[in-house]
Formats: sequence, C-alpha cells, structure tokens
Amino acid sequence: AQSVTQLDSQVPVFEEAPVELRCNYSSSVSVYLFWYVQYPNQGLQLLLKYLSGSTLVKGINGFEAEFNKSQTSFHLRKPSVHISDTAEYFCAVMYSSASKIIFGSGTRLSIRP
Amino acid sequence: EPEVTQTPSHQVTQMGQEVILRCVPISNHLYFYWYRQILGQKVEFLVSFYNNEISEKSEIFDDQFSVERPDGSNFTLKIRSTKLEDSAMYFCASSPSGTSYEQYFGPGTRLTVT
Repeated sequence: AQSVTQLDSQVPVFEEAPVELRCNYSSSVSVYLFWYVQYPNQGLQLLLKYLSGSTLVKGINGFEAEFNKSQTSFHLRKPSVHISDTAEYFCAVMYSSASKIIFGSGTRLSIRP
Repeated sequence: EPEVTQTPSHQVTQMGQEVILRCVPISNHLYFYWYRQILGQKVEFLVSFYNNEISEKSEIFDDQFSVERPDGSNFTLKIRSTKLEDSAMYFCASSPSGTSYEQYFGPGTRLTVT
C-alpha cells in the first residue's frame, strides 16, 4: 500500500542546534517526495521537493533533504534551527504526476531558547 | 505571485445542514484537488478534478460530497448533510498540468459542525 511514515510525532530541540526529521515511504518504481511546513493556524507551504537527479535537495529557510532509495527514506535536516522554525512538518509522496499527494502524520518541531 | 484562495476562512454549521466551500485556483491551472485535515491528524486526500470530471476520489469522498467548477474561476466542495465528524480544515489545491508534480495549496477553510 502507498504510505508515508514519520516516526517522530514531536521533536524538541534547542535553538541553534541541528535537527533531523525522519521520513520513510513505501517503495515504488517512480516516486516523488516533498516536505511541507504548516505554521500555527496557517496552510501548507512547500519546503522542498525531490523529483529526480541529485539526491540532496535544498529548500527554503535553510532546510535540505536527502533521498535514499535503498533505505526508502527522505529525511529533512537543518544545521541550525531558529525559533521561527517552530511548526508542523509533513513528509509527502506522489507516485505519478497530477495524482494525489499522500501525507505522513506530521512531526511537530518545537524550538527551545 | 499568484495564489490559491479559499472562502470562507471559517464556517460554523449545524449538523445536517449543507455547506459549500469555495476555492479560486491559480488562473491557468488545470488540475484541482480537495484535501482535509481533522484537528491533530494528517492531511488526507479527498478528490481530484480535471476537465470537468472527477479523476480520482478517496474512500472518504462518499455520496454526501460533491465538487463542481461552476464557472471559469471557482472550484467548490459541497457537503450535503454535514456530520460532526466532518469538522476539519479543508484545503484546496491546484496544479498547472498533467506533467506537474507540484500542487499549490490554499490557506484552508476551517469547518466546524455543531
């Protein structure tokens, strides 16, 4: 079945510390991967996407993610977080163009000063 | 920068009433979607729409739901007889073409059924 798993429902981290949010997806011949961010009481904003090519993708706000086909993972990283990064982060997958996006359950990132 | 807009931002309705949620997709986009997010849960796909037809729908999208593109700009989601469990944030999204992998999301409509 097509699915996305985010193992951590909450990740607390100190300001300026590095963070990694984990994501695994169910394998398929073709897969397109995304990370979305949802700030409190707001909609979904695309952070970054992997469609093809380089397995390391860079997004907005200093985030990056690495596509690992053998481990079916697409973990999100940031070397130094800021208070303003406090939000819910959703990993998502699409298995073909113009099809539905399947979202993970989300990881709440909380930043401590 | 063009964006997807949704109205209203918050709607409160009584159980059993009909509601219509409205979306204005980005103007040259051809594919349209509705998703919902029950409070504290993940975002779930409801339906996709292309060329005035439903192209895919989820198990959630039962007979009480319908979608329509009544004119060249609006895309609506109708819930015929609302239930308490329909309370959620509803997101509209649009995509420019069949070869696009990016969907642009609106800010959402929070539906509260009492």
